Amino acid sequence: NAGVMQNPRHLVRRRGQEARLRCSPMKGHSHVYWYRQLPEEGLKFMVYLQKENIIDESGMPKERFSAEFPKEGPSILRIQQVVRGDSAAYFCASSPRGPNEKLFFGSGTQLSVL
Amino acid sequence: GENVEQHPSTLSVQEGDSAVIKCTYSDSASNYFPWYKQELGKRPQLIIDIRSNVGEKKDQRIAVTLNKTAKHFSLHITETQPEDSAVYFCAASTPGGSYIPTFGRGTSLIVHP
Repeated sequence: NAGVMQNPRHLVRRRGQEARLRCSPMKGHSHVYWYRQLPEEGLKFMVYLQKENIIDESGMPKERFSAEFPKEGPSILRIQQVVRGDSAAYFCASSPRGPNEKLFFGSGTQLSVL
Repeated sequence: GENVEQHPSTLSVQEGDSAVIKCTYSDSASNYFPWYKQELGKRPQLIIDIRSNVGEKKDQRIAVTLNKTAKHFSLHITETQPEDSAVYFCAASTPGGSYIPTFGRGTSLIVHP
């Protein structure tokens, strides 16, 4: 089992561009979570998805951010018109049955906005 | 929503000493408390977890205790080794938050050889 795969590991964007972050959960996991991490801060929840459905997006900004987890393919976190404040590490995690159990994290995508 | 406070933010110990990290939570309905370890530049990984029907859990040099009345839980690492150096995060899951873990801000543990 390859574990949770995130790509790219590093993404550089200029202000105003779009950023697309990909996450392939572990085999057999249908629950995906996106977290954002800033230096010396904890992991801030953004969105929780389960195949084709958004379960909870209470941590995701209403504008410019969107997430999907299609029936086929990876989960995508999309940030439109990026600003410098979007620079952070974005971690994806997955679990087989839900959030009230062990989460398996990917290696993260470090987004840098110039 | 749930609020998790974690202390200290930095902890420096000598190899062989014990280390204790403490967390408090706000929602008395929280029922799952995992601890994750994140080494520099790596992904967070679960090291131990405890559910609200248990007061203590131990796994070799690592133990977690839970006090539901006081709404706090602690991570104990005995006989620390340099490879224990990492950032440790506590978290709490509550039904009111869709059971999604709310994380503390992390504790940077440094174990000096």
